[in-house]
Amino acid sequence: QVQLVQSGAEVKKPGASVKVSCKASGYTFTSYYMHWVRQAPGQGLEWVGIINSSGGSTSYAEKFQGRVTVTRDTSTSTVYMELSSLRSEDTAVYYCARDWEDTFDIWGQGTMVTVSS
Amino acid sequence: QPVLTQPASLSASPGASASLTCTLRRGINVGAYRIHWYQQKSGSPPQYLLRYKSDSDKQQGSGVPSRFSGSKDASANAGILLISGLQSEDEADYYCMIWHSSTAWVFGGGTKLTVV
Repeated sequence: QVQLVQSGAEVKKPGASVKVSCKASGYTFTSYYMHWVRQAPGQGLEWVGIINSSGGSTSYAEKFQGRVTVTRDTSTSTVYMELSSLRSEDTAVYYCARDWEDTFDIWGQGTMVTVSS
Repeated sequence: QPVLTQPASLSASPGASASLTCTLRRGINVGAYRIHWYQQKSGSPPQYLLRYKSDSDKQQGSGVPSRFSGSKDASANAGILLISGLQSEDEADYYCMIWHSSTAWVFGGGTKLTVV
């Protein structure tokens, strides 16, 4: 079946970087774009960024510009999101989500990233 | 003012209908947009429910019951998610979303639906 499996929880100190992975299976990986969305504890959803099907093009939400990098490895059907210069406000669950006609049709299970000194 | 505004909470009784609204900021015309709706149950990732632009441009998520439907209220500049025949399992947070040229993908703040 179609699924996205994300890497495990991370605990980082302020100023550090984190890299979260999202491994896809059950469909043709190179046919779909992939998004990253985050959700702070008790808060709503926030779009982070997107990578195209070939991995040659990315777009990020303005508030994350310069701090986030999304990449993909077609050989392993995996997408990565790296967020740098972490601060406490970045504590959140990070989700990958497949794009189908601008709809986020399949979601990963989420990865909790905790930023704490 | 946020691009998308949703009421924070809504309560309804089992078997009744619930209408969840997603109001677009003044100057953003609801008629031009596909409104996407997602359901998130406690401790789980969001799940895609449906999207609605018009009666000729709408799509139901895979396996989503027909008692979930979308519409628009042009006079209120809002998208609407209607849930009929409410069940206890419908208790969840519901988020609307659009793609907007100035903000890319943007979510509403979410509505917590309680079925009591």
